[in-house]
Amino acid sequence: NAGVTQTPKFQVLKTGQSMTLQCAQDMNHEYMSWYRQDPGMGLRLIHYSVGAGITDQGEVPNGYNVSRSTTEDFPLRLLSAAPSQTSVYFCASSYHDRGGYGYTFGSGTRLTVV
Amino acid sequence: QKEVEQDPGPLSVPEGAIVSLNCTYSNSAFQYFMWYRQYSRKGPELLMYTYSSGNKEDGRFTAQVDKSSKYISLFIRDSQPSDSATYLCAPGSNQAGTALIFGKGTTLSVSS
Repeated sequence: NAGVTQTPKFQVLKTGQSMTLQCAQDMNHEYMSWYRQDPGMGLRLIHYSVGAGITDQGEVPNGYNVSRSTTEDFPLRLLSAAPSQTSVYFCASSYHDRGGYGYTFGSGTRLTVV
Repeated sequence: QKEVEQDPGPLSVPEGAIVSLNCTYSNSAFQYFMWYRQYSRKGPELLMYTYSSGNKEDGRFTAQVDKSSKYISLFIRDSQPSDSATYLCAPGSNQAGTALIFGKGTTLSVSS
């Protein structure tokens, strides 16, 4: 099925560990974004990309790195996990010319840092 | 002032009630106005989309935009238990190089 695929669905990390959250889309969307969702805080933008080789920071970028080497993939790297990064992470993709209209979300990665 | 403000609720109503969900925004460049619905433990899904000011109706749902006051609303008529979810507003623009910013979401519970 076409859409946005996130892996893993669940992950537990120890403080200081690093890991990569994977995101892949098969809709040939230009735009891809990473959000984190915490209770009472809504969806907050971490990083986004408007095309292969182009990335930019969102509202809460500290502690995360991204790269976009292909149109399909947009991995999110946690450099040194901290308990404050315990959250649900969503990846989304979109066509540019639709503004926000065409955003498709993945099913999320639930991350716990202990 | 945050770009998008939304009362997080929670909001509890009986089945059949009319529900009003609201957002305000600060950036006058926004031209597209989306409402996303998110069920528990799922990713958000696009529910309604409007362009510029005015109303748009889709079944029991009506989206309303007032650009002069920077106020957007979602009305749900004859609410059903299946409408129980978190509703997120998301204004957007055509400006290249930007990503969508969401309100905090309003959690709605409809009891039968």
